[in-house]
Amino acid sequence: AQSVTQLDSQVPVFEEAPVELRCNYSSSVSVYLFWYVQYPNQGLQLLLKYLSGSTLVKGINGFEAEFNKSQTSFHLRKPSVHLRDTAEYFCAVSETGGFKTIFGAGTRLFVKA
Amino acid sequence: GAVVSQHPSRVICKSGTSVKIECRSLDFQATTMFWYRQFPKQSLMLMATSNEGSKATYEQGVEKDKFLINHASLTLSTLTVTSAHPEDSSFYICSALDAAALPTAFFGQGTRLTVV
Repeated sequence: AQSVTQLDSQVPVFEEAPVELRCNYSSSVSVYLFWYVQYPNQGLQLLLKYLSGSTLVKGINGFEAEFNKSQTSFHLRKPSVHLRDTAEYFCAVSETGGFKTIFGAGTRLFVKA
Repeated sequence: GAVVSQHPSRVICKSGTSVKIECRSLDFQATTMFWYRQFPKQSLMLMATSNEGSKATYEQGVEKDKFLINHASLTLSTLTVTSAHPEDSSFYICSALDAAALPTAFFGQGTRLTVV
């Protein structure tokens, strides 16, 4: 079985500052990795995903993430955040061939003016 | 991109009644859909995997008789919360797999259930 750990429950950051949201996973088999964003009372929007190939993945809204197999991490980064980036961010993993997606606890990104 | 629609977005029901939530894939056929439950300020917990034309597979600890899942067509899965109680109040979210976009799952906008 796989699991996902998001190391920070909340991350406050000033507008235009860089941010990194941390994610570690555990699995005995190969996995796919995802980052989703959730705004209040809404569903989830896919930010980016890692399936294979290049370990640096670029997504929407200026976000990127790097897959590190040796450290079993998939940290999300953005060089300069905006107020509108305030939301809940979820790291998720699914086993290759199974497609059942397991989510981390979420990280609340709060961008301050 | 693939669109998944959930209905209703909000529902209030009386304790002891049943409520049905629909999850539709609007522009693709979804042989597999998933149902999640999310408590305030918490993560999504997978409740069950719904496969078209067969019985749903429930996660450990999820009551099959309370949360009835039906996936009768390739574009529709329903979750019925039977004999609802206040502790069933939660945010329910579905997702669907598009065979043309695997392994990415596409999510509905969620349903806020309040049992009074």
